[in-house]
Amino acid sequence: DAEITQSPRHKITETGRQVTLACHQTWNHNNMFWYRQDLGHGLRLIHYSYGVQDTNKGEVSDGYSVSRSNTEDLPLTLESAASSQTSVYFCASRDDGTDTQYFGPGTRLTVL
Amino acid sequence: AQSVTQPDIHITVSEGASLELRCNYSYGATPYLFWYVQSPGQGLQLLLKYFSGDTLVQGIKGFEAEFKRSQSSFNLRKPSVHWSDAAEYFCAVGITNDYKLSFGAGTTVTVRA
Repeated sequence: DAEITQSPRHKITETGRQVTLACHQTWNHNNMFWYRQDLGHGLRLIHYSYGVQDTNKGEVSDGYSVSRSNTEDLPLTLESAASSQTSVYFCASRDDGTDTQYFGPGTRLTVL
Repeated sequence: AQSVTQPDIHITVSEGASLELRCNYSYGATPYLFWYVQSPGQGLQLLLKYFSGDTLVQGIKGFEAEFKRSQSSFNLRKPSVHWSDAAEYFCAVGITNDYKLSFGAGTTVTVRA
């Protein structure tokens, strides 16, 4: 079955380190998204991509970057991790036919 | 830009009782509206969505939602709650030709025996 996966599921890192979170989907969806989930804020959009080589900033993009070299993957990189980036991160991809986003299982990141 | 408000942070309901979760949106035109559910430690699962047409939409797990343009609302309902409905529920809004979603802060539902 087609799916969307995220790795790692849990990560602990130290302040200042570079961290990359992986997102992989097998639906061949063009549109992919990264969100962070924090108590009281719901999900907030970090970055998104509408296709290969396309990347865009969301509402909370500072300190994050993404790249899209193929359809299946949208890795999220924290250039220099900060404690404020401790959060749960969700990747999603959008089905053009149904205009619906489908979410991965999430990555819990702790920055010490 | 569109925005979503879920006024209730936490709701406690008895098993077998009815449930209604409120969602209000701010957007000038008719938005795309979604309800997602997140069980503890899990990702988000789509419950239902509204794009156009019949304002009462049916979803999975026995949930339904009603779009009311005059009230800018898209409230989620279930007639009889099961213990497995304990979860966090998110309302989201999207707009035509813009594939991004804006989410509400979520409502946590606790089901008591």
